[in-house]
Amino acid sequence: DAGITQSPRHKVTETGTPVTLRCHQTENHRYMYWYRQDPGHGLRLIHYSYGVKDTDKGEVSDGYSVSRSKTEDFLLTLESATSSQTSVYFCAISTNGAGSYEQYFGPGTRLTVT
Amino acid sequence: LAKTTQPISMDSYEGQEVNITCSHNNIATNDYITWYQQFPSQGPRFIIQGYKTKVTNEVASLFIPADRKSSTLSLPRVSLSDTAVYYCLVVGTGGGNKLTFGTGTQLKVEL
Repeated sequence: DAGITQSPRHKVTETGTPVTLRCHQTENHRYMYWYRQDPGHGLRLIHYSYGVKDTDKGEVSDGYSVSRSKTEDFLLTLESATSSQTSVYFCAISTNGAGSYEQYFGPGTRLTVT
Repeated sequence: LAKTTQPISMDSYEGQEVNITCSHNNIATNDYITWYQQFPSQGPRFIIQGYKTKVTNEVASLFIPADRKSSTLSLPRVSLSDTAVYYCLVVGTGGGNKLTFGTGTQLKVEL
C-alpha cells in the first residue's frame, strides 16, 4: 500500500459545513493526488501536488481546495459541502516521477453530505 | 489526452485467458499506455505500462501494435479473484503524471 493512509475513512456531514480530508504518506514521494469516484464512473482528478506548497487543479476542482505544507501530508478541503460532493475520495502518490504512471492509492474516504 | 474506448463488460471462466482491448485513436507520440485494476471499495491498483510492442510482468501482458492506436491487456488463466474493473489509460509526459480514468471494463470470472 506504499504507506498511504487516509482519514477519516467515513464521514457524514451536513450541507454547508466545511470538511477536511487528510492523506498521509510515509515515504516522501513528490507527487500526491486527490480523486473522487462516483457510482458508474471512473476516478476523476480533483487536485494534485508536485511538491510542498506546489499544487494544481484537476478536472473537477470547483468547490475544493488543497494544501501541502509538509511532504507527507496532502489535505483536501470542501469549503462548503454540497450533496453533489457525496462521493468516495481517493488519495494517491506517484513513486517514480516524470515518465512513470504507476500510482499507489489509499484506502479511500467515503463522504456523505446530507 | 487521448480518449480511450473499451468494452463496458466481459465475462469469462476460471482458467481461461482474457484479452481486453482498448482503442485510443488519437494517442500522441510521447504518450504511454497504462492499465489499472480496481476491486470494489478499494483504490485502483497499477497493473502494467507500455509504449510499444509487448510488455510482460508477473500478472499480465500488454500488446501494443505498431500504430499504437489500440492496446490489449492479456490476463492468463484468470481466477475468480480477477473479477474487477479494468481501466485503460493513455498518459502524457509532464504535467504531474496526471491520470484520466474512463469508465473501465467490468470483468466477471465464473467457475
